[in-house]
Amino acid sequence: AQKITQTQPGMFVQEKEAVTLDCTYDTSDPSYGLFWYKQPSSGEMIFLIYQGSYDQQNATEGRYSLNFQKARKSANLVISASQLGDSAMYFCAMREGRGSQGNLIFGKGTKLSVKP
Amino acid sequence: GAVVSQHPSRVICKSGTSVKIECRSLDFQATTMFWYRQFPKQSLMLMATSNEGSKATYEQGVEKDKFLINHASLTLSTLTVTSAHPEDSSFYICSARDITVRGEKLFFGSGTQLSVL
Repeated sequence: AQKITQTQPGMFVQEKEAVTLDCTYDTSDPSYGLFWYKQPSSGEMIFLIYQGSYDQQNATEGRYSLNFQKARKSANLVISASQLGDSAMYFCAMREGRGSQGNLIFGKGTKLSVKP
Repeated sequence: GAVVSQHPSRVICKSGTSVKIECRSLDFQATTMFWYRQFPKQSLMLMATSNEGSKATYEQGVEKDKFLINHASLTLSTLTVTSAHPEDSSFYICSARDITVRGEKLFFGSGTQLSVL
């Protein structure tokens, strides 16, 4: 069974509008971390935002916010005021376990295209 | 600026040769680094976890003798693809974990596109 599910292989959004990229996860570990990364066509992976399983508030980083719904096991990424430079692949990832142990499990990604 | 430096960004080699890829954390110490492989239009698949001063932990199905990992210092991990073959052609990317009081972040290198002829 997939541990990280991104159901949207591709998304379109109009410039300056907000967009939500879906991510659901599956884990029985009470301690985990959720990440979102952006991968432009150049291939590099750019860290966007992190949410810990015990964090009380939803994480925010500039135009990025994470809609963390623990009971639903979802961690959707919201990008506000989309820009043309936001066009890229977006990966949701999870780390299970505490401390420095564990590795990242990636979803299959969502390709976001921002239209002018 | 980049906090993890990975090079080379692109390498073309002949079948049977070995290729070394370096991953450096530039302004933090990374006791743990990860190596991933990404096929075109696919997700990243973890190959191995590299711990400073100890042997790397390889994921199931990854040949440790094929993909040699060395993490000799807190800022450098290397991946050597030994006796490369065309099927090893792929995009390889490393990440380094930075743990601070604010939480943890993983920073990725810019990746290495390996083409084996």
